[in-house]
Amino acid sequence: DAGVIQSPRHEVTEMGQEVTLRCKPISGHDYLFWYRQTMMRGLELLIYFNNNVPIDDSGMPEDRFSAKMPNASFSTLKIQPSEPRDSAVYFCASSLLQGAGNEQFFGPGTRLTVL
Amino acid sequence: QKEVEQDPGPLSVPEGAIVSLNCTYSNSAFQYFMWYRQYSRKGPELLMYTYSSGNKEDGRFTAQVDKSSKYISLFIRDSQPSDSATYLCAMSTNTNAGKSTFGDGTTLTVKP
Repeated sequence: DAGVIQSPRHEVTEMGQEVTLRCKPISGHDYLFWYRQTMMRGLELLIYFNNNVPIDDSGMPEDRFSAKMPNASFSTLKIQPSEPRDSAVYFCASSLLQGAGNEQFFGPGTRLTVL
Repeated sequence: QKEVEQDPGPLSVPEGAIVSLNCTYSNSAFQYFMWYRQYSRKGPELLMYTYSSGNKEDGRFTAQVDKSSKYISLFIRDSQPSDSATYLCAMSTNTNAGKSTFGDGTTLTVKP
C-alpha cells in the first residue's frame, strides 16, 4: 500500500483565497483524521471521521474551515477565506480501530503558507 | 491546562547517552499510550505503544506507563544520531479508541 496520500505537498496562497487540501487514506481504514501542526500550538486535531461520518469537529477553529469525506477513499479540508494565521502543516491520518495500539498512519503533510 | 503535557525540550545529548522523554496526563480513562517519532518535514510514525500499565521493550527503546502517577516515559539506550527527531506521546481511551490526544512533542538531537 502507498500509505496516506496528501496533495498538494506545498501551497502558497494570498489572504482571502480559498484553499483545498486533499487526502486519500489507506484502503480499508475506517477512521480519518485532519491535524494542524505549528511550532506554537503543536499538533492539533481539527476533525475526524468514522466510516465517512464526521464524529468530532470541535477542533475546527472557525467557520472558515470545513471538511468532507464523500467516500471511503477521499477527504478534503477547505479553508475559505484563508488568513495568514492559517499557515501551518496540515496532516491527514487514517487508522483501523482494530489495529494494534490504535496506530494512526500519517501522510506527509501539506505545508500551507498564506501571505 | 492541557490533557497531555510533555516536557518541551529541546534536548541535546552526545551519541551513546541514555535519553528519557516524559509525559503527564490528567484523564484517568486513558488506556492506550503511544510514542510517535517525527523526522523533520515528515509525518509522525508510531514507534511504540503500551496498553494500560507496565513496561515494554523494543530494541534500544523502552516505554513505561505508571497509571497511578499518570506518567509515561520513553527511554532510548545507546542513542544514535539517527534518533534525532521530535518525539510525541499520544493517548486514547477504550470508549473513544479512534481518537488520540497528542502531547506537543520533544525535539531530540543526538550529536556524534
